[in-house]
Amino acid sequence: DAMVIQNPRYQVTQFGKPVTLSCSQTLNHNVMYWYQQKSSQAPKLLFHYYDKDFNNEADTPDNFQSRRPNTSFCFLDIRSPGLGDAAMYLCATNRQASSYNEQFFGPGTRLTVL
Amino acid sequence: GDSVTQMEGPVTLSEEAFLTINCTYTATGYPSLFWYVQYPGEGLQLLLKATKADDKGSNKGFEATYRKETTSFHLEKGSVQVSDSAVYFCALSVSSKLTFGKGITLSVRP
Repeated sequence: DAMVIQNPRYQVTQFGKPVTLSCSQTLNHNVMYWYQQKSSQAPKLLFHYYDKDFNNEADTPDNFQSRRPNTSFCFLDIRSPGLGDAAMYLCATNRQASSYNEQFFGPGTRLTVL
Repeated sequence: GDSVTQMEGPVTLSEEAFLTINCTYTATGYPSLFWYVQYPGEGLQLLLKATKADDKGSNKGFEATYRKETTSFHLEKGSVQVSDSAVYFCALSVSSKLTFGKGITLSVRP
């Protein structure tokens, strides 16, 4: 089945130790998104790629970076995780940059910062 | 800016009860409207959507109608099941970015 895959499902890191989260998709969608979701809150968009074009949200901290080496893969890098960065990180895709299409979400990676 | 307002939760219902979850929106353009559901420990799944005024989205017994005159997209189900227990998010999209409501937790008792 075509899907959005996130690895790992659970990630534990230490305060200040860089961490990378991975997302892959078999849908061949042009757009990929990264969201941060803290407990009992709505997902918050960090950034998205339309093909190779990177679009950062204005309030996304510099501590968060992303790479999209090809259509299928997208990575979220947290350069120096703080305790406040503990959250669920959701990857999503969209076929086109259109308001009509729904986004397809992966299962998420839960990040714990010790 | 664009925003979505959901009724306050949580909501607890008995099995087979009628469900309504209110959602209203503010948008500068002509948004598409969505309901997403999140089961514990999982990502979001699309439940239903509507892309223009008076459209009705439906799936798994859930329905919602895009009401432009009241800027609303209320979610309804005639008879809830224990398996419907989850968090429900109303969302809008004007461009390709989603704006979510705060979500509401639904618990259904046997």
